[in-house]
Amino acid sequence: QKEVEQDPGPLSVPEGAIVSLNCTYSNSAFQYFMWYRQYSRKGPELLMYTYSSGNKEDGRFTAQVDKSSKYISLFIRDSQPSDSATYLCAMTVDNYGQNFVFGPGTRLSVLP
Amino acid sequence: NAGVTQTPKFRVLKTGQSMTLLCAQDMNHEYMYWYRQDPGMGLRLIHYSVGEGTTAKGEVPDGYNVSRLKKQNFLLGLESAAPSQTSVYFCASSSPIQALNTEAFFGQGTRLTVV
Repeated sequence: QKEVEQDPGPLSVPEGAIVSLNCTYSNSAFQYFMWYRQYSRKGPELLMYTYSSGNKEDGRFTAQVDKSSKYISLFIRDSQPSDSATYLCAMTVDNYGQNFVFGPGTRLSVLP
Repeated sequence: NAGVTQTPKFRVLKTGQSMTLLCAQDMNHEYMYWYRQDPGMGLRLIHYSVGEGTTAKGEVPDGYNVSRLKKQNFLLGLESAAPSQTSVYFCASSSPIQALNTEAFFGQGTRLTVV
C-alpha cells in the first residue's frame, strides 16, 4: 500500500462545475497537508496549505482535512478551463519541510 | 526573480553515460531536493539537503549522487545511466517553517531519456 493514494483520473468536468479531488493516507503522524497544481510540462506550484484537521478557503478553492479518516479533499467551485492541470496532494509529519510525501496526482480537464 | 532554475531542460543519454543536472535557487533557501516524476508514481524523493555541505538519501537514491557545495546550488549526478532512469527530474527548495507555511518551490523540470 502506498503511503498516499490518489485517483489518477483523468477527470473531465464542464466549465462551472464543482470539482472534488481527494487523497487518502496511511501515516497518522502527518500533520501538514498541501495541494499543488501542476500544468503540463511545468513544475508543481503550491495551491493550498493546511495544518491538522479542518477547512481552509481561498477564493474558489477549499481544502478539507479529516485526520480521523486519514482523508483530505480539495474542492474547486465554478471551475474554469484554466483549472485544467494535475493536482498533487502532499503531506509532511513535521513543519521543517524536508520530508514531503506526494500523491501520484489527479489530472483534471475543465471543458468550455 | 528567477526562483529555482534547472539545467538542462532536456537530455538524451545512452546507457552507461554519465551526466550532471544542475539546480540553482536565488531565494536563500536552506533546503533543497531532487525528485523524479514517473506516470502513476507521483513525485519520489531521490536525495535532499538541509544545508550547504550536507546531503541525505530519499526514497529512491540508488544510481544517483548529489553534492551541495554552495547554498544556492544542488547537483544531481548519474554515474552510469540506465533506461530505468528515464524520467522527469524536478529540483525544489524550501525554507524552515515560518508562520506555518512550508512551501517547496519547484523548478521547471528536466526531461531525461536514457536509450
